[in-house]
Amino acid sequence: QLQLQESGPGLVRPSETLSLTCSVSGGSISITSYYWGWIRQPPGKGLEYIGSISYSGNTYYSPSLKSRVTISVDTSKNQFSLNLRSVTAADTAMYYCARIYASGNYGRGWFDSWGQGTLVTVSS
Amino acid sequence: DIVMTQSPESLTVSLGERATINCKSSQSVLYSVNNKYYLAWYQQKPGQAPKLLIYWASTREFGVPDRFSGSGSGTDFTLTISSLQAEDVAIYYCQQYYSAPLTFGGGTKVEIK
Repeated sequence: QLQLQESGPGLVRPSETLSLTCSVSGGSISITSYYWGWIRQPPGKGLEYIGSISYSGNTYYSPSLKSRVTISVDTSKNQFSLNLRSVTAADTAMYYCARIYASGNYGRGWFDSWGQGTLVTVSS
Repeated sequence: DIVMTQSPESLTVSLGERATINCKSSQSVLYSVNNKYYLAWYQQKPGQAPKLLIYWASTREFGVPDRFSGSGSGTDFTLTISSLQAEDVAIYYCQQYYSAPLTFGGGTKVEIK
């Protein structure tokens, strides 16, 4: 049974960098058919795709966040990570990591397994 | 970006009755090479992560009850719950994976009457 678990600070100061890690267990991150993604959900709002990465390091980002986002992968630890720079209160959200079954190129596919999410609040 | 528009925003249905949720894409999500619609549906119960219900617009994920079904064509898609159960109270989202960036609909909240 694949499990994903987000970890990282629950509070980040404005203008600083939000850093989260997703640990994958019950399966390898190094499978060609899958990408690994980050999605966020502001309190009481809908889902927003942040970006995704393959095990080989191919990345795709939402254009609205691309200038501030970096996603990386560490296959030796079966983990992938999110860095979001220069955060503001608008970045306060539940952050989910998820596996994407990549049915097309550029990491396009559906999210078939999700972490439980971690709430990140941006506040001084 | 492909914009996904869901309707209604909320829906109140009696137990055992049918619930119908609509999702409209701003452009086609049909890939002509394989004749598949690049659309998925998710269920998010209160306090939980979303759960995949359907992909390719109409293929149920393993373990999803058959009271959930997806349909559609062109740019209009529907998620139907044929007989609403108490455990189906949730927010439902559609998502397109035809083109980057991946985008979600705004969600439809389903409640019991």
